[in-house]
Amino acid sequence: GESVGLHLPTLSVQEGDNSIINCAYSNSASDYFIWYKQESGKGPQFIIDIRSNMDKRQGQRVTVLLNKTVKHLSLQIAATQPGDSAVYFCAENEHNYGQNFVFGPGTRLSVLP
Amino acid sequence: DAGVIQSPRHEVTEMGQEVTLRCKPISGHNSLFWYRQTMMRGLELLIYFNNNVPIDDSGMPEDRFSAKMPNASFSTLKIQPSEPRDSAVYFCASSLGLTKETQYFGPGTRLLVL
Repeated sequence: GESVGLHLPTLSVQEGDNSIINCAYSNSASDYFIWYKQESGKGPQFIIDIRSNMDKRQGQRVTVLLNKTVKHLSLQIAATQPGDSAVYFCAENEHNYGQNFVFGPGTRLSVLP
Repeated sequence: DAGVIQSPRHEVTEMGQEVTLRCKPISGHNSLFWYRQTMMRGLELLIYFNNNVPIDDSGMPEDRFSAKMPNASFSTLKIQPSEPRDSAVYFCASSLGLTKETQYFGPGTRLLVL
């Protein structure tokens, strides 16, 4: 029978366009956030992180924005490439809560040729 | 550099059988994590160790699950007896320290319990 499971939000973008993937977190005590990329059949791969004392952090072709007021995190990918097609997860970590990260449900990014 | 190594990559077993998943963390990392990923529940932390000592096992679903880390380079996650609802992808990850460090994930073990 058909299994009922998480329905991953999907973002489809044209190759070369910019992508914005959003994540809402619920714990106002979270002070460290990571974006992971998971390709089919592989484990999550670190992309970029940000601490709560920052609003923005940039990496190579990626930018993470943090809005603590509304508990929102976004990942921007510039000039999206076919190799960017994957599921993207945000993960949050609460202050003084060791290494216990809580992962979001993920967003599937599909890059169209 | 060798990343996190997991074995087996795929496991198919029958309900009631014992399943043992293995993990070798990145050399020099002293924290190790076991996660489970399913369509229903996403990615969940089961247990993590620091310096071979279990720190938080609150995510372990029930007594059928157990994890050990006998030394800094090896950990096992055991399910006994296995049930169909245990079918999932199990990931091991490691990190340098215990506080807010990037975790590096292995390729996962895809478990199917019939």
